[in-house]
Amino acid sequence: GDSVTQTEGLVTLTKGLPVMLNCTYQTTYSPFLFWYVQHLNEAPKLLLKSSTDNKRTEHQGFYATLHKSSSSFHLQKSSVQLSDSALYFCALSDLQGGRALIFGTGTTVSVSP
Amino acid sequence: EAAVTQSPRSKVAVTGGKVTLSCHQTNNHDYMYWYRQDTGHGLRLIHYSYVADSTEKGDIPDGYKASRPSQENFSLILELASLSQTAVYFCASSERTTNSDYTFGSGTRLLVI
Repeated sequence: GDSVTQTEGLVTLTKGLPVMLNCTYQTTYSPFLFWYVQHLNEAPKLLLKSSTDNKRTEHQGFYATLHKSSSSFHLQKSSVQLSDSALYFCALSDLQGGRALIFGTGTTVSVSP
Repeated sequence: EAAVTQSPRSKVAVTGGKVTLSCHQTNNHDYMYWYRQDTGHGLRLIHYSYVADSTEKGDIPDGYKASRPSQENFSLILELASLSQTAVYFCASSERTTNSDYTFGSGTRLLVI
C-alpha cells in the first residue's frame, strides 16, 4: 500500500545552520506531497505542498522539490532559527483523489542557540 | 475565521468506560477526519467522513466509532476505552476537492487509566 517514510526521528542543530529533512514515499497514483509543522502543544499546520515534478516550492524560508524519479520530497532550510524547533510531518495524497492524507512518522527538529 | 474546535482539550477515562470526543468546524468543509498521534507513529487515520450521516473507516478503526450528524460536527466514540487508546486525537477538515489543505483542531489529550 501507499506509505511515507521519514528516516530521522530527531534532528538537533545550532541556530543559523542548514537543515534537510528526508521524505520518501510509495504510491501507485500521481502523488501530491505535503509538509506540515507542529509546534509544541499546537495543531499541525500546512507548511508547503506540491504535485509538480522537479519544481521547487517555498514558504516561510523552507523549500522542497518533488522528485518523482526518486519518490522524494525533502524539506530544506538554509538557516534555521530557534522558532523552527517543532515536529515536521511529510504527508502523501494523490491527484486522483478519494483518499485521506497518509502521514509519515514525523521528524522533531530541535534548534539550540 | 474558519476553524476546527475540539472538545474536551484533555480527558482522563477509566478502562471500559465510554468516551466521546467532539469536533466542530466552521470552514464549510465537506471532509472531516479523526487522527490519533502517538510518538513514533505519526498521525494515523481512524475514521473520516465526506458527507453528513456517513462515515468511513480509516487505517486503524478497531475500537472506535464515528458519527457525523451534520456537516459541522464529527464525533469519535470509544465504547469501551482501553489503555492502548491513550493518545492525542486530532480532528481535521478539508474542502470537497481532495488534495486540499487540512485544517486541524488543537487536539484532545486522552489518558485511559
